[in-house]
Amino acid sequence: GAVVSQHPSRVICKSGTSVKIECRSLDFQATTMFWYRQFPKQSLMLMATSNEGSKATYEQGVEKDKFLINHASLTLSTLTVTSAHPEDSSFYICSASTSRGSSEAFFGQGTRLTVV
Amino acid sequence: GQNIDQPTEMTATEGAIVQINCTYQTSGFNGLFWYQQHAGEAPTFLSYNVLDGLEEKGRFSSFLSRSKGYSYLLLKELQMKDSASYLCAVKDSNYQLIWGAGTKLIIKP
Repeated sequence: GAVVSQHPSRVICKSGTSVKIECRSLDFQATTMFWYRQFPKQSLMLMATSNEGSKATYEQGVEKDKFLINHASLTLSTLTVTSAHPEDSSFYICSASTSRGSSEAFFGQGTRLTVV
Repeated sequence: GQNIDQPTEMTATEGAIVQINCTYQTSGFNGLFWYQQHAGEAPTFLSYNVLDGLEEKGRFSSFLSRSKGYSYLLLKELQMKDSASYLCAVKDSNYQLIWGAGTKLIIKP
């Protein structure tokens, strides 16, 4: 299967700072990338969908000014958590697909963010 | 609204068989997925069903009935490493993945 690389796998930051998470598709062109957040013992919650070269579509309740998504190329999308607070501590996961009808979404390894 | 239901937790014995059920109500249907997720890790793809019937892949099989809005994941010859959460997800008419809350499977020796 296709490989999606997510970096960093773990990050600890101070409250008020910003953190950038990268998601790269290594061996395919990802027209669409998805960003999820997962709290302990809960399922994946879609935060936003990004298409290469256009603005991301955010889910209801997700602040676009706080969670900045950039999908500048077909192999790279970034999520920046701005002015992080302890309640932003969570597991963030990206996934990528080659098309809307793709039969599989490929996931990155996830990023464990802890804001202290 | 859109909804995917699966049991919160199940327990099974090593070497046995377990069936994890999933029922869904979504706006449109473009396939159903099963993913395995170990604690602290990202989900890994297990199976995909878009037509009715059984898809078999080694020790894992997945069944779909679109008319009933129902799927199950069948795990045979259970191993301790199969202890994980199993996530059911459906692609709706907009090709957006709708996720179930996951079933935590506990395997006992």
